[in-house]
Amino acid sequence: GENVEQHPSTLSVQEGDSAVIKCTYSDSASNYFPWYKQELGKRPQLIIDIRSNVGEKKDQRIAVTLNKTAKHFSLHITETQPEDSAVYFCAAGNTDKLIFGTGTRLQVFP
Amino acid sequence: GAVVSQHPSWVICKSGTSVKIECRSLDFQATTMFWYRQFPKQSLMLMATSNEGSKATYEQGVEKDKFLINHASLTLSTLTVTSAHPEDSSFYICSAALTGGQPQHFGDGTRLSIL
Repeated sequence: GENVEQHPSTLSVQEGDSAVIKCTYSDSASNYFPWYKQELGKRPQLIIDIRSNVGEKKDQRIAVTLNKTAKHFSLHITETQPEDSAVYFCAAGNTDKLIFGTGTRLQVFP
Repeated sequence: GAVVSQHPSWVICKSGTSVKIECRSLDFQATTMFWYRQFPKQSLMLMATSNEGSKATYEQGVEKDKFLINHASLTLSTLTVTSAHPEDSSFYICSAALTGGQPQHFGDGTRLSIL
């Protein structure tokens, strides 16, 4: 069935360093790839998304790259700050539904 | 914009009770609403997709008679956990999307504890 794999499961970085989270998906019909940030006990919040007709998208310190041929996409956070600490989820899908990755717990140490 | 309200935020009840959770889109009309279940430190598992005025589409393994979903208007969907048991204890979270299905905007979730 449809599957989204996400790595790493945990990631610790020093403040100011970059963080990269990678996801692979199985359903070649997927055309929408959002990333969500979830702080403890709170709602997932959309931080960036990319559609299949685009290879890369950037929003300030956050960027996402998509390789449809290889069926993988990545989240890049530059100049990390302690407030970036949270669980990040990738997802792949279309207008009907999203399949979420298993999450990455990012910890940014001051 | 795109605010989704979910109520209640926390429910504790006895085994056998039915519990209703509401999901409202406050500032937009949601053609589609989604219901997820999230276990501690795990991912969001899609339970069902509901479209206004039609029957919900359930994911494989989700009992439709156990988890009743109603999407009576473009701003409200409800999930009723019928005859809840301790194994139904979880974090239930809804999301809503405009026409086109994406992006999904999430509610704050409901923590359900069945004693």
